[in-house]
Amino acid sequence: KNEVEQSPQNLTAQEGEFITINCSYSVGISALHWLQQHPGGGIVSLFMLSSGKKKHGRLIATINIQEKHSSLHITASHPRDSAVYICAVSRTSGSRLTFGEGTQLTVNP
Amino acid sequence: EPEVTQTPSHQVTQMGQEVILRCVPISNHLYFYWYRQILGQKVEFLVSFYNNEISEKSEIFDDQFSVERPDGSNFTLKIRSTKLEDSAMYFCASSEKGRQRDYAETQYFGPGTRLLVL
Repeated sequence: KNEVEQSPQNLTAQEGEFITINCSYSVGISALHWLQQHPGGGIVSLFMLSSGKKKHGRLIATINIQEKHSSLHITASHPRDSAVYICAVSRTSGSRLTFGEGTQLTVNP
Repeated sequence: EPEVTQTPSHQVTQMGQEVILRCVPISNHLYFYWYRQILGQKVEFLVSFYNNEISEKSEIFDDQFSVERPDGSNFTLKIRSTKLEDSAMYFCASSEKGRQRDYAETQYFGPGTRLLVL
């Protein structure tokens, strides 16, 4: 069983829709990371969180440590949000990231 | 804004050849990482490096792989004798040292090197 599970694997939305991507993990962590991978392959860190909620523009990330679950929300989605969104966890300072499979998001105009 | 750079962006090599992938981490970062992503699969950890030595490595990182920080800026991954299954995108990442052991840091990724072994 994967230590990090994401759902859904694929998500298609219409422009303007509210989007939620979910992540569950099965190990103890110090932080959970949400990353975005562009079609060209580059990976960008969106959020790192260990509790509560963070917001950046139209993106919101939440985490429930007791339930070992995190969500990434995108409000007012736009075609430029189309990318793979990846959940990853880290255990301690300087430790590896363990990645989920990613969620391919396509936002149609 | 500082960024992690990687060279080359693409490399094609013959099976059995040695390749060296190069990375320049962000200058004040102390942790360095190599990850790889085989086409269509998830990103996998290879190795982490701190204080001029390997701090952690995965089962993928066997004797064919080595890492080095030859000077104050470069961080390299060498594959001694490439195999077909080494074909993948290789990402370098770096992070600052956390304030305490249980505190994780954001990792900043380079653009990747796409390696194709024929």
